[in-house]
Amino acid sequence: DQQVKQNSPSLSVQEGRISILNCDYTNSMFDYFLWYKKYPAEGPTFLISISSIKDKNEDGRFTVFLNKSAKHLSLHIVPSQPGDSAVYFCAASARYGGSQGNLIFGKGTKLSVKP
Amino acid sequence: ETGVTQTPRHLVMGMTNKKSLKCEQHLGHNAMYWYKQSAKKPLELMFVYNFKEQTENNSVPSRFSPECPNSSHLFLHLHTLQPEDSALYLCASSHALNDRGPYEQYFGPGTRLTVT
Repeated sequence: DQQVKQNSPSLSVQEGRISILNCDYTNSMFDYFLWYKKYPAEGPTFLISISSIKDKNEDGRFTVFLNKSAKHLSLHIVPSQPGDSAVYFCAASARYGGSQGNLIFGKGTKLSVKP
Repeated sequence: ETGVTQTPRHLVMGMTNKKSLKCEQHLGHNAMYWYKQSAKKPLELMFVYNFKEQTENNSVPSRFSPECPNSSHLFLHLHTLQPEDSALYLCASSHALNDRGPYEQYFGPGTRLTVT
């Protein structure tokens, strides 16, 4: 059973608007969450992370929100740019009760930003 | 070279062949990882090394054999693979795993493996 779920395989957004990518998790031991971006023929690139002691982390156009009670996190990109078109992966890890090195990934959401 | 590099980028091998994938990181990290990405599936962690010691083997078949001679290099030795092993194999590195972790992992570009 998948512990990290990205239920939208794809998302299309107009340039300049906000992109919201969603991720749900089931394991309450997860306490560290990451977003990665992947272009074709490249490896995933780390974007932004958040620890479970926070509910928001911002880095430029990228903001990650964490709702622990709902076991939900989201990545907001604003304003969206055509260069943001890529596959976005959500990942989660547990510091205790399991392997720290074990990042559990979702299946990804393909974002298309249209000019 | 910067970041995490992987060679070869593409590999086609028969089921009776033996080949090796190589990964090198230039980030000063002490933890290295192998992942497998199959079509329409999430990235799956295969192996974790922390300071050259294997700390995780995620129930990977023995036809995949990792080797970590030092903190900068990681190999994945392949032998008698099956067609279903065809996938993208990704290497990653991070700061050493300890109580202050976990840390973000930095990925290489991957090796696209096709088993015929």
